[in-house]
Amino acid sequence: QSALTQPASVSGSPGQSITISCTGTTSDIGTFILVSWYQQHPGIAPKLIIYEVDKRPSGVSDRFSGSRSGNTASLTISGLQAEDEAYYYCCSYAGHSTLVFGGGTRLTVL
Amino acid sequence: QLLLQESGPELVKPSETLSLTCTVSGGSISSTTYYWGWIRQPPGKGLEWIGSIYYSGSAYYSPSLKGRVTISIDTSKKHFSLHLTSVTAADTAVYYCARDRAVRGEFALWGQGTLVIVSS
Repeated sequence: QSALTQPASVSGSPGQSITISCTGTTSDIGTFILVSWYQQHPGIAPKLIIYEVDKRPSGVSDRFSGSRSGNTASLTISGLQAEDEAYYYCCSYAGHSTLVFGGGTRLTVL
Repeated sequence: QLLLQESGPELVKPSETLSLTCTVSGGSISSTTYYWGWIRQPPGKGLEWIGSIYYSGSAYYSPSLKGRVTISIDTSKKHFSLHLTSVTAADTAVYYCARDRAVRGEFALWGQGTLVIVSS
């Protein structure tokens, strides 16, 4: 069971849209729709922003959206704001009641 | 509202056992909907799922840690615990407890995390 693959960093200007990819295998993302995304600011516990590929918990901005194609899931943030600058992690169900996280992506808002 | 709080030693010696407890307050630990999980984050690195447990005691573990990790639950005391044996410096991390809706990776509620350093 290997960690999901995310780009180390992405950046964008305020108002723009960015997309963070999360690549897995047929053993996780490619088979199961249980992909979630977390936002983490330094020194604070992660916050769930997407679950089941494209669902948003109550209170999460609709600027955050998720999708999946094949073995890759994606998180898109539209209308970038300064407060979106954080680390983002994907997570997938990997069968046999196990979970796997991605390595994390640092988002910089220019 | 429901809160999670990790507690345990901040410093553990190499080869010893790391033990942490997560106390659940403001709600039930015996819900049939949720699993209770442990996730860790080494300094400057990403998140790693350690394992999750149901109120009944059924537990599931990361394959990479299986053999060294045990998660238990005490519903009467409203807490669940993590035990990680034979620790090394690589086990130094912030350890979080969190609540998942089944084992789905849907951790909507987290503790604040506790830093555990493995050092002699």
